[in-house]
Amino acid sequence: ILNVEQSPQSLHVQEGDSTNFTCSFPSSNFYALHWYRWETAKSPEALFVMTLNGDEKKKGRISATLNTKEGYSYLYIKGSQPEDSATYLCASRAGAGNNRKLIWGLGTSLAVNP
Amino acid sequence: GAGVSQTPSNKVTEKGKYVELRCDPISGHTALYWYRQSLGQGPEFLIYFQGTGAADDSGLPNDRFFAVRPEGSVSTLKIQRTERGDSAVYLCASSSTGGAANNEQFFGPGTRLTVL
Repeated sequence: ILNVEQSPQSLHVQEGDSTNFTCSFPSSNFYALHWYRWETAKSPEALFVMTLNGDEKKKGRISATLNTKEGYSYLYIKGSQPEDSATYLCASRAGAGNNRKLIWGLGTSLAVNP
Repeated sequence: GAGVSQTPSNKVTEKGKYVELRCDPISGHTALYWYRQSLGQGPEFLIYFQGTGAADDSGLPNDRFFAVRPEGSVSTLKIQRTERGDSAVYLCASSSTGGAANNEQFFGPGTRLTVL
């Protein structure tokens, strides 16, 4: 059984601060790691899908790294803005082909104060 | 193009009633997924369709829950004899064909179900 954990549970930062969150997942049977951003009353928005050990991906001020050997991923936000306020969720996929199930963490709730 | 849509956005029902939740996936996406998120929890996988058939229904909690996708596009999640513990946000996602590792799932805004 997969257990995906995220920390911290919540985070309050000032506008302009840089911040990062952690997602840990079982490294056995790893297939892919997904990061999503979810604002209240909106659809979860896909940020990254990462598959290879050492992967680094970037989208604007947001970037992520992946370590599949030790089972963790970091999400970084540079120069946080109020519009970055959301819950950031990671999810791990353990299997190939028709095993599409994503196992999710509880999320990190980010609040950026102007 | 249009994203994944879900109706209704909110549903309030009484314990014991039957409810149907609808999902319209992105056009051309053959894979469709249902998840639910209960208060204080992360999303929980329910069922995955490839075309018209359920490829993995291991997440359905019990036989009160059933989902269909008769024409390989729109899907309906059906919950019989609803219980207060069924209250959650029900999320639908779709993705293109293929089980590639980097296959991305695109989500709808969810249906918030409240069982009184």
